[in-house]
Amino acid sequence: NAGVTQTPKFRVLKTGQSMTLLCAQDMNHEYMYWYRQDPGMGLRLIHYSVGEGTTAKGEVPDGYNVSRLKKQNFLLGLESAAPSQTSVYFCASRPALDRAIHEQFFGPGTRLTVL
Amino acid sequence: AQSVTQLGSHVSVSEGALVLLRCNYSSSVPPYLFWYVQYPNQGLQLLLKYTTGATLVKGINGFEAEFKKSETSFHLTKPSAHMSDAAEYFCAVSEGDTGTASKLTFGTGTRLQVTL
Repeated sequence: NAGVTQTPKFRVLKTGQSMTLLCAQDMNHEYMYWYRQDPGMGLRLIHYSVGEGTTAKGEVPDGYNVSRLKKQNFLLGLESAAPSQTSVYFCASRPALDRAIHEQFFGPGTRLTVL
Repeated sequence: AQSVTQLGSHVSVSEGALVLLRCNYSSSVPPYLFWYVQYPNQGLQLLLKYTTGATLVKGINGFEAEFKKSETSFHLTKPSAHMSDAAEYFCAVSEGDTGTASKLTFGTGTRLQVTL
C-alpha cells in the first residue's frame, strides 16, 4: 500500500501559468480533500469530494478547480497562478462515514512557489 | 461552525521534561478531536484521536490527550520529552459523523522545540 501519493513534490511557476496537482490513493477511500498550509495559519480546506464525479468548495476555493473522474484520483488545478498561491499543498483521504474510521490520511505534500 | 485554538505557536522544553500542548475547540455538535504531528518536510501523521467513549486517549510515541467537555479542551501531553519529539503539532476538530464529509478544521499549529 502506497497510501496517499502526490505529484509533483516541488514546482516553481511564473505568475499566470497553469498547472495541475495530482493526488492518488490506493485505499479505496470515498472521500478526498485538498488543503493548503501557510505559516501561522495551519491547514485550510480548498475543495473536497465525497465520491467519484462529485466535488464541493471548502474554506478557500477561489483560484482553484478540482476534478474527481476516478475514485482513486483527485486533481487540483490552478488556471492562472498568483504569488498568493505560494504554499504547501496537502491531499488527504478517508473512508466513507459508515466505515467507522474517522481520521484522514495525508499525502507528503507539494511545495509550490509562484514567482 | 467549528473552530480550534492552539495556545502558543512555539513551545520549548528540555529533554526529559513534561510536554503540554494546549488545544481548545468549539463545535455545535459532539466533536471528534485529533492531534496530528508534522516532522520537517513531511506530511501529517495521526498521533491520537477522540471519537466516543473513554475521555483519556493514548497515542503513538507516548503521547496522550484528555477530552474535557466542560472546558472544551483536548490538551496533548507527554511525561518526558525526547529530542525526536521536535516537530509541529496540529489539533483538529470534525463534527463527528454528522457533519458533511466529516471536514476537519485545524488549529494554527504549535512548534515544539526540545533542548538538551
